[in-house]
Amino acid sequence: RKEVEQDPGPFNVPEGATVAFNCTYSNSASQSFFWYRQDCRKEPKLLMSVYSSGNEDGRFTAQLNRASQYISLLIRDSKLSDSATYLCVVIPYNQGGKLIFGQGTELSVKP
Amino acid sequence: DVKVTQSSRYLVKRTGEKVFLECVQDMDHENMFWYRQDPGLGLRLIYFSYDVKMKEKGDIPEGYSVSREKKERFSLILESASTNQTSMYLCASGTYEQYFGPGTRLTVT
Repeated sequence: RKEVEQDPGPFNVPEGATVAFNCTYSNSASQSFFWYRQDCRKEPKLLMSVYSSGNEDGRFTAQLNRASQYISLLIRDSKLSDSATYLCVVIPYNQGGKLIFGQGTELSVKP
Repeated sequence: DVKVTQSSRYLVKRTGEKVFLECVQDMDHENMFWYRQDPGLGLRLIYFSYDVKMKEKGDIPEGYSVSREKKERFSLILESASTNQTSMYLCASGTYEQYFGPGTRLTVT
């Protein structure tokens, strides 16, 4: 079983739609969680951290469910510019700060 | 503006050649990382380094080595390139937030 699993998609949605991605992780001792975004042929960049209480950044909402070991990302009012691959990232406890990346979920927002 | 640079964007090498990929960061980060990214497999950690002259194996170190002689520079070495090392190689620095270089697309023929 992979340490971090995501639905690879692609998710094809119209502009203005709400879309949600989930990510599950296997190490219950994981301590930190993030979403990164990777545009086509570009490097990954941090989108947002994921806090236990859930957090929001504009149209983006991230949530963590430790009991079920999953993380989610909700994008409201999708824009064409949101088209990218979204990478779920987990930092396991006591592994020297290594980041474990999911394989990514591809989002395509259509006009 | 933070910056991680990699020596080449595209590289074509022959099987058996020794290949050097260089990465430089200007953020004074102690931690630096080398990943490869392949379709369907995502980002996989090859090696990382917490400090000058220190290195730790990642998940797929076989066939690779690294060098960290200066804090800002982290090199990945393919001792004898093979076709299964054709991939996108990404360098990163940082801790919880990692800053990535633009990547080197290496083709081994």
